[in-house]
Amino acid sequence: AQSVTQLGSHVSVSEGALVLLRCNYSSSVPPYLFWYVQYPNQGLQLLLKYTTGATLVKGINGFEAEFKKSETSFHLTKPSAHMSDAAEYFCAVLSGGYQKVTFGTGTKLQVIP
Amino acid sequence: DAGVTQSPTHLIKTRGQHVTLRCSPISGHKSVSWYQQVLGQGPQFIFQYYEKEERGRGNFPDRFSARQFPNYSSELNVNALLLGDSALYLCASSSQGDEQFFGPGTRLTVL
Repeated sequence: AQSVTQLGSHVSVSEGALVLLRCNYSSSVPPYLFWYVQYPNQGLQLLLKYTTGATLVKGINGFEAEFKKSETSFHLTKPSAHMSDAAEYFCAVLSGGYQKVTFGTGTKLQVIP
Repeated sequence: DAGVTQSPTHLIKTRGQHVTLRCSPISGHKSVSWYQQVLGQGPQFIFQYYEKEERGRGNFPDRFSARQFPNYSSELNVNALLLGDSALYLCASSSQGDEQFFGPGTRLTVL
């Protein structure tokens, strides 16, 4: 079984401040991990993914995430928030014999000017 | 290149009716997955199809069914609609790899 926990359903940051969105996972097998962003009334867009190899993963729009196996975490960060980053972010894990992706409940990021 | 497309964009139905949602994957992708996203929650896995065969099913009742056609497009059918079926239904396609590409979704409202 696999699951994803996102701490904080709403996060507010000031423009230019550090963005940190937390994600912890559980998986019985080595996981593939993803962060997706969803803008209002739109589908999901992949920000970044971890499959194997380097544990620090860089994605689009200046986001990055670090896979920490010992902490079962995959937190998303961005050094400086931009107004356009306001959206909902979902952490997800893929494992199993088929491509079932399990999503967290999401974190809404608000960027304050 | 066209991404994943879904139709219709929005749909309003009444309780007890049935609905068919359609998805066209990215060209060359043979796998299609369906997800239900209820307002305020993360997407929940419904089905995955690969090469026209069901490869996985989430915890949804038998009122939900799907199929994949020879051109790899897919339909999701929901019978005997309930108010709780109101959601955004997302389709995702993938090739042999790990990354799924999502469509814009179909917003279903059940009255």
